[in-house]
Amino acid sequence: DTGVSQNPRHKITKRGQNVTFRCDPISEHNRLYWYRQTLGQGPEFLTYFQNEAQLEKSRLLSDRFSAERPKGSFSTLEIQRTEQGDSAMYLCASGGLAGINTGELFFGEGSRLTVL
Amino acid sequence: AQKITQTQPGMFVQEKEAVTLDCTYDTSDPSYGLFWYKQPSSGEMIFLIYQGSYDQQNATEGRYSLNFQKARKSANLVISASQLGDSAMYFCAMREGYNFNKFYFGSGTKLNVKP
Repeated sequence: DTGVSQNPRHKITKRGQNVTFRCDPISEHNRLYWYRQTLGQGPEFLTYFQNEAQLEKSRLLSDRFSAERPKGSFSTLEIQRTEQGDSAMYLCASGGLAGINTGELFFGEGSRLTVL
Repeated sequence: AQKITQTQPGMFVQEKEAVTLDCTYDTSDPSYGLFWYKQPSSGEMIFLIYQGSYDQQNATEGRYSLNFQKARKSANLVISASQLGDSAMYFCAMREGYNFNKFYFGSGTKLNVKP
């Protein structure tokens, strides 16, 4: 399977704990996005990487959230000191080179976080 | 200001009829792209159709067409001959920025197709 892969698929944690999600994009894609989606809502943009560079970060993103893409391949999203409001589906999406295609995004199946 | 606005939280359509899902967008970037995605209850996001800001003709993909009205900044999705399997959430999205660094989604429309 050469699609976008995310793990873990489900994570239950207690308030105050740290959690980390991993995304493996489609191998030839240099663009990688993280989104947060709550029930019945659209994906909310969190951050964007082009290769290893984090080019865009939502102003809504608390400093408890950090993302990396160290070698321009897989990415991690860490949430420190989790709060109940962090409970959501975290979606990763990847896309091909900017400017030479439509920019379509390919999504993973998401990582569902539940904070107790 | 909202980048993407979808004003219809829920829609019903009879099977085999056509339905239009509304989307308006806000951008000052002359180069942008508009997308529609489908999200069934299983949760995966499925790409449906794309329209570039410089495209002169409305995009079509099978039963899906995008009614692009640039001056009005609208990009409505038309689904013809609705099928029961079309029941899902539908999201309008826009990418802008030289590096495609901004990619926004609307709040979605839940479509229910009735037999």
